Amino acid sequence: ELQLLESGGGLVQPGGSLRLSCAASGFTFTSYGMTWVRQAPGKGLEWVSAISGSGANKYYADSVKGRFTISRDNSKSTLYLQMNSLRAEDTAVYYCAKTYGHLEYWGQGTLVSVSS
Amino acid sequence: QPVLTQSSSASASPGSSVKVTCTLSTGHSNYIIAWHQQQPGKAPRYLMKLENSGSYNKGSGVPDRFSGSSSGADRYLTISNLQSEDEADYYCETWDTNTRVFGGGTKVTVL
Repeated sequence: ELQLLESGGGLVQPGGSLRLSCAASGFTFTSYGMTWVRQAPGKGLEWVSAISGSGANKYYADSVKGRFTISRDNSKSTLYLQMNSLRAEDTAVYYCAKTYGHLEYWGQGTLVSVSS
Repeated sequence: QPVLTQSSSASASPGSSVKVTCTLSTGHSNYIIAWHQQQPGKAPRYLMKLENSGSYNKGSGVPDRFSGSSSGADRYLTISNLQSEDEADYYCETWDTNTRVFGGGTKVTVL
């Protein structure tokens, strides 16, 4: 059974850092790109970052460029999002998604709250 | 980059049909999109991929009452025989080489 399990969310002060993880199972992880999408409270979906199956290609939304870093460990079938210099507007549920052109399967999400 | 425009809400009675529209911006009318459903308090769920020809491919387990169609820059999601569990937000999505965009979402209410 395909599963994506995010973890690492929590409460952090402005300017702080967090690393999100997304553990994948049930499919050949290296064959698929992966994507992070976030959803602020009461708002719509916002694309954050994406990475190719090999990890060689990485893409970022302008809102997080220079602050967030996407990576993956294919030996562990795990996707990461390192988030630095966090701001209040980064508060959201963060979802990872298996990507095949479109977003084909979503994780359950992890909540990141940035507040003093 | 493409922009996707959705109406904010739609409603219909149980057993009837509702059609949700997603419009691609000028110059992007041939783009493939995907539809996603987000029930209250849950993660989004992939419903289908929809091409500009109107051809669509649904995700695993998506009921037959969900279908897609296209006309020019418009992409449609039709829910037939509306059920209470179909009350949700519906988002369209498209992508380019190095970016991905979502429509603002359409809240479907079952009256």
